[in-house]
Amino acid sequence: QQQVKQSPQSLIVQKGGISIINCAYENTAFDYFPWYQQFPGKGPALLIAIRPDVSEKKEGRFTISFNKSAKQFSLHIMDSQPGDSATYFCAASRNGATNKLIFGTGTLLAVQP
Amino acid sequence: GAVVSQHPSWVICKSGTSVKIECRSLDFQATTMFWYRQFPKQSLMLMATSNEGSKATYEQGVEKDKFLINHASLTLSTLTVTSAHPEDSSFYICSAREFRLRGPADTQYFGPGTRLTVL
Repeated sequence: QQQVKQSPQSLIVQKGGISIINCAYENTAFDYFPWYQQFPGKGPALLIAIRPDVSEKKEGRFTISFNKSAKQFSLHIMDSQPGDSATYFCAASRNGATNKLIFGTGTLLAVQP
Repeated sequence: GAVVSQHPSWVICKSGTSVKIECRSLDFQATTMFWYRQFPKQSLMLMATSNEGSKATYEQGVEKDKFLINHASLTLSTLTVTSAHPEDSSFYICSAREFRLRGPADTQYFGPGTRLTVL
């Protein structure tokens, strides 16, 4: 029940295309859903995050879509660029003292020029 | 934005020695810091949660005596890998959660990571 399932494992997109990464969770107590971007040899960087009270959040080329009833959320990268090539992790946590992030397995995105 | 630093960024040591990794929140106070371990092409694995002024809470399967965590101030947590062995070679990443008066923030900010290689 603590798992966050992420797909696909890897993704190849042409420059200018839309990259879509999906995540699903089971624990309905989760109330915070961030996406992190990680380049090789670097720590993860927060990209965008959403809470269950909204169905969509957009920041620049990055959009999170959230479906509470289906317990799914996804990251959309519009106009994908080669510089977006990285590993993307979704995560989930519940409000509280420990507030541990449960990470998905990651998606390796390659944007071809 | 919130910045978390780690030192060193990489370290090579001989088997049997101990290595200390520092994690600092540079522009905010962090009551809670987290330590993760990441193997190549894998996700982050939470090792322990560190709260300022109290003992760390370790995840199941993580050896407390091997991975010593100290969170002595609101801006510094350290991870010491004691008697390191080649199987401890990994990428260690810390994260920090900002303290706020109304309660801890949800956002975790990650450090750049420390690459540990044990020969």
